[in-house]
Amino acid sequence: DADVTQTPRNRITKTGKRIMLECSQTKGHDRMYWYRQDPGLGLRLIYYSFDVKDINKGEISDGYSVSRQAQAKFSLSLESAIPNQTALYFCATSLGGSSYEQYFGPGTRLTVT
Amino acid sequence: SQQGEEDPQALSIQEGENATMNCSYKTSINNLQWYRQNSGRGLVHLILIRSNEREKHSGRLRVTLDTSKKSSSLLITASRAADTASYFCATHVRNSGYSTLTFGKGTMLLVSP
Repeated sequence: DADVTQTPRNRITKTGKRIMLECSQTKGHDRMYWYRQDPGLGLRLIYYSFDVKDINKGEISDGYSVSRQAQAKFSLSLESAIPNQTALYFCATSLGGSSYEQYFGPGTRLTVT
Repeated sequence: SQQGEEDPQALSIQEGENATMNCSYKTSINNLQWYRQNSGRGLVHLILIRSNEREKHSGRLRVTLDTSKKSSSLLITASRAADTASYFCATHVRNSGYSTLTFGKGTMLLVSP
């Protein structure tokens, strides 16, 4: 089984709808991250969490919110989806410390029409 | 804003040839990492080089780091068709007590049989 899983893998939704993307991990890592990827722009950090009680905004947090329900679960919500939130969304995890290698989930392809 | 910028944006070579990708960044870093992404899938960590290291090897991969020039290079030797993917550099920067990775826009590598 994959160490980092994301659901759903694909989603099409309409403008104004609320949508939640979920991420679960079995790696036992404290740190979790949400990124979005747009063609030609690389990955940009939306939110990150270093433990269950720690939530931090990333580079592009506007229009998004997160919930860290447990060490293993980190959800990303779009309260009112808009078309320019159409992108590929990735969850990642890492240990703390200087090694800081991140492990990525398979991604969720979100289309907002 | 992007911390790391890869060059070239795209690279096309024949199997057996070497592939070199470069990454430039703007601010001081703790470490620099290279990741690989097969089309539309999650990123996979390849190699990490710390700021006090100049060169690192892993199998057919060789990474160099020049902190005076704020640049890194990734060399893939004897490339194979299976190396076709996008490659991203990511810089680890400490920011107000927290550390996050900032990804570049990537180099798309095509290896033809």
